[in-house]
Amino acid sequence: DTGVSQNPRHKITKRGQNVTFRCDPISEHNRLYWYRQTLGQGPEFLTYFQNEAQLEKSRLLSDRFSAERPKGSFSTLEIQRTEQGDSAMYLCASSRRDRTFLERDTEAFFGQGTRLTVV
Amino acid sequence: AQKVTQAQTEISVVEKEDVTLDCVYETRDTTYYLFWYKQPPSGELVFLIRRNSFDEQNEISGRYSWNFQKSTSSFNFTITASQVVDSAVYFCALSEVWGRDDKIIFGKGTRLHILP
Repeated sequence: DTGVSQNPRHKITKRGQNVTFRCDPISEHNRLYWYRQTLGQGPEFLTYFQNEAQLEKSRLLSDRFSAERPKGSFSTLEIQRTEQGDSAMYLCASSRRDRTFLERDTEAFFGQGTRLTVV
Repeated sequence: AQKVTQAQTEISVVEKEDVTLDCVYETRDTTYYLFWYKQPPSGELVFLIRRNSFDEQNEISGRYSWNFQKSTSSFNFTITASQVVDSAVYFCALSEVWGRDDKIIFGKGTRLHILP
């Protein structure tokens, strides 16, 4: 397994355009997280999935943000009508969580991120 | 609600000195995971350790050690005999195990400079 993969690595877009990012998690992981990180800050939670179900979406996220994880495999994060304030590193992570057998739980493994610049 | 506080925003030490990074957390759940991650200049977050709340035994891995104190809700990280390669941003994180709110949340990080 090659780990968590994110595409593209870099994206420059004009304000008002839509962008979509993709995350391919580690294959046996049922959890998938999206975070946003700006300079000098920690990863800020956006949303997460257990298999294909979206468990929570941060209240900080506007309706311009949407995420999907069809079939519980890869995930996409779409930002509509981008604004300059959306410029950040978008991080994806995956893990395995098993509430029956905690020994099977893993830590979250992160991808290299997608850096978005809105001009 | 969960919260992770890393009060030290930036630390500089001279190589070979020991350094401790502080982490204080808040959670209403009695069972939770605590994590430390390293983010080197390359940018990718690298997992260092996961601690279960029901296991208070401290851990040592080479030059790294972690001190988990449930009574003070702290999970501090010590690097012994620091090296320049330890320069990075370090994040402490928290996740409930059984609660409905079991996402992983991060502190704001501590930027560590190891000076040669």
